[in-house]
Amino acid sequence: EVHLVESGGGLVQPGGSLRLSCAASGFTFSNYWMTWVRQAPGKGLEWVANIEQDGNEIYYVDSVKGRFTISRDNAKTSLFLQMHILRAEDTAVYYCARGRWLFEYWGQGALVTVSS
Amino acid sequence: DIQMTQSPSSLSASVGDRVTITCQASQDIGNYLNWYQQKPGKAPKLLIYDASNLETGVPSRFSGSGSGTDFTFTISSLQPEDIATYYCQQYDNLPQLTFGGGTKVEIK
Repeated sequence: EVHLVESGGGLVQPGGSLRLSCAASGFTFSNYWMTWVRQAPGKGLEWVANIEQDGNEIYYVDSVKGRFTISRDNAKTSLFLQMHILRAEDTAVYYCARGRWLFEYWGQGALVTVSS
Repeated sequence: DIQMTQSPSSLSASVGDRVTITCQASQDIGNYLNWYQQKPGKAPKLLIYDASNLETGVPSRFSGSGSGTDFTFTISSLQPEDIATYYCQQYDNLPQLTFGGGTKVEIK
């Protein structure tokens, strides 16, 4: 059974940093693109970033370019999102999802709150 | 960027009613459209892929249609467990992905 479990969320001050992790199990992690999608409180879904199987192709939504870095460790079947220079508008639940454009499996989400 | 406009933003219907949600793309996206259901406090769940294909295990009362710029998502007979917010998502102009604004479905 496929499982995706996010961790690392929390409260951070504006300008701060945070690193999210997503532990994957139940499938061959190295065979799949992986994606981060976020959802601000009471708002809709927003694609944030995704990464190709070997990490050679990486893409970001414009609003996080230069501040967020997606990465993966296939040996540890884990996905990461390093977030710097956080802003209030980055406050959201961050989901990891399996795939590049079709998301059959999602994690439960990690809440990131950016506030002073 | 491709914009996805969903309507209505919310609706209220009775159990057994037919419910229809539309999603309009700002440009032709072929059939590169998926539909998700999200219940409160939960992650989204894939229901329909490539505009009209039912994901395995999803009840047949859910369906999708359309191509180009205009798409429709239908619940043929609304059930209490269908209370959720529904999102469309396009993937025509990779790497960018965009979701519609969502449609909240409630029971009347």
